[in-house]
Amino acid sequence: AQSVTQLDSHVSVSEGTPVLLRCNYSSSYSPSLFWYVQHPNKGLQLLLKYTSAATLVKGINGFEAEFKKSETSFHLTKPSAHMSDAAEYFCVVSESNTGNQFYFGTGTSLTVIP
Amino acid sequence: GAGVSQSPRYKVTKRGQDVALRCDPISGHVSLYWYRQALGQGPEFLTYFNYEAQQDKSGLPNDRFSAERPEGSISTLTIQRTEQRDSAMYRCASSLVGGGANTEAFFGQGTRLTVV
Repeated sequence: AQSVTQLDSHVSVSEGTPVLLRCNYSSSYSPSLFWYVQHPNKGLQLLLKYTSAATLVKGINGFEAEFKKSETSFHLTKPSAHMSDAAEYFCVVSESNTGNQFYFGTGTSLTVIP
Repeated sequence: GAGVSQSPRYKVTKRGQDVALRCDPISGHVSLYWYRQALGQGPEFLTYFNYEAQQDKSGLPNDRFSAERPEGSISTLTIQRTEQRDSAMYRCASSLVGGGANTEAFFGQGTRLTVV
């Protein structure tokens, strides 16, 4: 069975400092992993996805994530936070053997302090 | 259309009334999903379709909830005899191909349902 754990419900960083949003997953098979971002009153937007190719995945807006199978982690990082990064971030896992269900974590709210 | 479109964006209904939420997926997308998101929580799976066939409805909370996609395109999620606990954001998503783990889902902006 799949599940996703986002270790921090809230993260605050100062503008210009690094961002780290943590995600651990459990999966019986080779999973696909995604990070989605949700800005206030907006839909969910895909930031990046891992699908068994390169373990370091680069996404939009300077975000990247590294798939670490040994640690069952898929943490999201960005070298330098921008005010526009303030949003809710969701880590998502999907497995081909269970069709197209996407299992969401509970989300991490990122605050960027000017 | 250019993206997944959901209507209405906001719906306020009285307890006991039926509501129908509509989702218009991206043209050509095979899979269509419904999710429910409570405040402060991540989206929770309800059901999904490949073309017109409902593949999995295990996430529907009870028999007041139903969904259809009769022509393999637009889908309707219906909630009968609404209760206050049904209040949430209902999100629809679509993806290009059915099955397989390499597909990403494109989400609509959701319908905010409030049952008073």
